[in-house]
Amino acid sequence: GDSVTQMEGPVTLSEEAFLTINCTYTATGYPSLFWYVQYPGEGLQLLLKATKADDKGSNKGFEATYRKETTSFHLEKGSVQVSDSAVYFCALSPSGAGSYQLTFGKGTKLSVIP
Amino acid sequence: EADIYQTPRYLVIGTGKKITLECSQTMGHDKMYWYQQDPGMELHLIHYSYGVNSTEKGDLSSESTVSRIRTEHFPLTLESARPSHTSQYLCASSASGRLYTQYFGPGTRLTVL
Repeated sequence: GDSVTQMEGPVTLSEEAFLTINCTYTATGYPSLFWYVQYPGEGLQLLLKATKADDKGSNKGFEATYRKETTSFHLEKGSVQVSDSAVYFCALSPSGAGSYQLTFGKGTKLSVIP
Repeated sequence: EADIYQTPRYLVIGTGKKITLECSQTMGHDKMYWYQQDPGMELHLIHYSYGVNSTEKGDLSSESTVSRIRTEHFPLTLESARPSHTSQYLCASSASGRLYTQYFGPGTRLTVL
């Protein structure tokens, strides 16, 4: 079945450091790929998405590129801020018709210190 | 911005009580979901609905039940709460379509003593 593997946390970075959170997936066809973010005490928010190979999703300085050849969707940000401290989830939605469920990774907790 | 609401946000209750967690959305989405989030942050799908009068169990077995009588409303009920039900419960909804973007509510943190 479909699966998502993301790097284990927690990840601790200093403010203005470069961030990479690795995400790889296993799925048939061409799934849609997502990054969600969960701030403390809140639900998940969609951060960015990509629906086909080589698409780049971007939002709030975060980027991720859909790499079909490496089945990856790594999240990057050039300069993190304290306000980016949160849990980040990589997810996929299968390409087959009629399936609307998301498969999530286990989440990566990011802490950014001043 | 997504308009999906969950009440209560926090609930502390004794063992054996019946509880209902409310979830409502004003986006007209036909699909709705309930997730249980464990302390390690992992998300588990426990129920979903693709439309009115349609509900299915998710990947994680749960003693809770759901109903979908109205499009906008998807409540979750525990007939007899136990300490093992202590968790964060997240509701989500999505429209039909290729992108399958799910929008999440703020969650209900349930503690059963």
